[in-house]
Amino acid sequence: DTEVTQTPKHLVMGMTNKKSLKCEQHMGHRAMYWYKQKAKKPPELMFVYSYEKLSINESVPSRFSPECPNSSLLNLHLHALQPEDSALYLCASSQAMGLGDTQYFGPGTRLTVL
Amino acid sequence: GENVEQHPSTLSVQEGDSAVIKCTYSDSASNYFPWYKQELGKRPQLIIDIRSNVGEKKDQRIAVTLNKTAKHFSLHITETQPEDSAVYFCGNQAGTALIFGKGTTLSVSS
Repeated sequence: DTEVTQTPKHLVMGMTNKKSLKCEQHMGHRAMYWYKQKAKKPPELMFVYSYEKLSINESVPSRFSPECPNSSLLNLHLHALQPEDSALYLCASSQAMGLGDTQYFGPGTRLTVL
Repeated sequence: GENVEQHPSTLSVQEGDSAVIKCTYSDSASNYFPWYKQELGKRPQLIIDIRSNVGEKKDQRIAVTLNKTAKHFSLHITETQPEDSAVYFCGNQAGTALIFGKGTTLSVSS
């Protein structure tokens, strides 16, 4: 399996809802990433997990809460989001969190916050 | 901090022409330079990458060149086809984070 999968593909939520995004990979990669991408912009790094431990948090608001239950799974828990949080949320994985390790992206979850 | 500038922001070519996209970076410790292609509504996909110990790499119609002295690297697409139309992002990694350029929207008309 050489793919990163993400669910759901689309998500619409209100500002008071709690929802979760899920990401899975079975390539044996030990680094996993969450990115946020707005229309016509590059992906912006949010979080990096390395060996199931949070290694990088790019000053993301606490309404986004990442979780890495095991080496294949990555979740992003959402609570009390704002309309400006509407975006494509991309998960990626790489062999390790190191220089020159290719990152493979999932198809993304398109999130709309009403 | 790390920074990568990408030009042009849009590029229109006729089918069969060549396309060149250039990125410049600031961190001299950078040693990994990937290029991603993102079609509308799809995920970014790696199309080619280069590491700092190599000056040029080619894969069929796609090539990347790296000039470490001038701190720039370029994507070259030859014999462009309509299916090459997409947004292309360059990347630059010096530390643990991959920094992306702002993207180039390539349109290939037949």
